[in-house]
Amino acid sequence: DAGITQSPRHKVTETGTPVTLRCHQTENHRYMYWYRQDPGHGLRLIHYSYGVKDTDKGEVSDGYSVSRSKTEDFLLTLESATSSQTSVYFCAIRRGLAGGHTGELFFGEGSRLTVL
Amino acid sequence: KNEVEQSPQNLTAQEGEFITINCSYSVGISALHWLQQHPGGGIVSLFMLSSGKKKHGRLIATINIQEKHSSLHITASHPRDSAVYICAVKGAQKLVFGQGTRLTINP
Repeated sequence: DAGITQSPRHKVTETGTPVTLRCHQTENHRYMYWYRQDPGHGLRLIHYSYGVKDTDKGEVSDGYSVSRSKTEDFLLTLESATSSQTSVYFCAIRRGLAGGHTGELFFGEGSRLTVL
Repeated sequence: KNEVEQSPQNLTAQEGEFITINCSYSVGISALHWLQQHPGGGIVSLFMLSSGKKKHGRLIATINIQEKHSSLHITASHPRDSAVYICAVKGAQKLVFGQGTRLTINP
């Protein structure tokens, strides 16, 4: 499972409050991703990172920010949560092709966020 | 039009049947992934392929780069195969996901 853990796994919060989701990996993979999954939309990319302090926006980045100050942690922050951000959030890593790795994807178990 | 289209969206079959799920894409890709998601569960990578065919147990994945099409086959299907199967293609930097195929195998 590439040692990916997400926290918290479940959170209920109120509109306007800040929320931070954490993705932690134990294998020093370079590429990390945050997705949201909603009915009828499949997985949509919010932000991704290709190294420490190197991040870029995905297709649904409005209202979200990320930080990656060390290889193992990729944080997703909702500065002021809205009800439209109620979703299940998945973190993923992609193994590179060096060292015999295959470029496979590994996902965290998901964080279910409800914004009331 | 979505860059990645899966068909069918929903599939119900009886235990033991041969299952095929299709994925068509419209962009140039370097790799294609098949993922499995059980109800309420996490997402597991089944295959990553860039050409030809791969087999793992009862699962077989094929890809035709010229036709921009991939198929996932399940032989001797079982109720535990019931899940959502997701196709994802990797372009220059990012992955693009299909909306998934919900498979239900009845005993």
